[in-house]
Amino acid sequence: EVQLVESGGGLVKPGGSLRLSCAASGFSFSNACMSWARQAPGKGLEWIGRVKSKSDGGTIDYAAPVKGRFTISRDDSKNTLYLQMNSLKTEDTAMFYCGAGTGATDFDYWGQGTLVTVSS
Amino acid sequence: DIVMTQSPDSLAVSLGERATINCKSSQSVLKRSNNKNYLAWYQQKPGQPPKLLIYRASTRESGVPDRFSGSGSGTDFTLTISSLQAEDVAVYYCQQYYSTPITFGQGTRLEIK
Repeated sequence: EVQLVESGGGLVKPGGSLRLSCAASGFSFSNACMSWARQAPGKGLEWIGRVKSKSDGGTIDYAAPVKGRFTISRDDSKNTLYLQMNSLKTEDTAMFYCGAGTGATDFDYWGQGTLVTVSS
Repeated sequence: DIVMTQSPDSLAVSLGERATINCKSSQSVLKRSNNKNYLAWYQQKPGQPPKLLIYRASTRESGVPDRFSGSGSGTDFTLTISSLQAEDVAVYYCQQYYSTPITFGQGTRLEIK
């Protein structure tokens, strides 16, 4: 069974930093394209970025609103995806989801999400 | 960026009736090299993460009931639920994964009439 478990969310002040993790199991993590998306309270889905598998080039792409502030990385030895978030803004408040692309799309599977609240 | 626009924003359908949701992309998501449309549909129930229903515009994900179907090509796509069940109440999103940034439609809220 595929499992994606996010952690690391919480309350942080504007300008602060947070590191999210996504522990994966049940599929070949090293061969998967791994992504992050978010959903502000009561709003729609927003793509944050992705990291391709090393065999697919390992390239990392970001959405414009987070480029230069957020960093996506992966540790294939730990089956874990990371999202380092710096210079957080109140508008970054959202549920953050990780996604695994195993052949169909970039988001074949989704985690349950971790809530990030940016507030003073 | 490819802009995805869904219609309607909300929809109320009687149990057992057909529900149709439309999605339009600002540019084609059809990859000519393999003749595949890079368009997916997701279902999100309250308090849950999204779930993949349809990919490549018309391929049903494993385990998804066959009352869900996707159609369309290029820039115009449709998700159809042939006979609405109570458990289908959710918000539905289309998504293009043809190019980055990957983009979603604004969502369509489906309710029971």
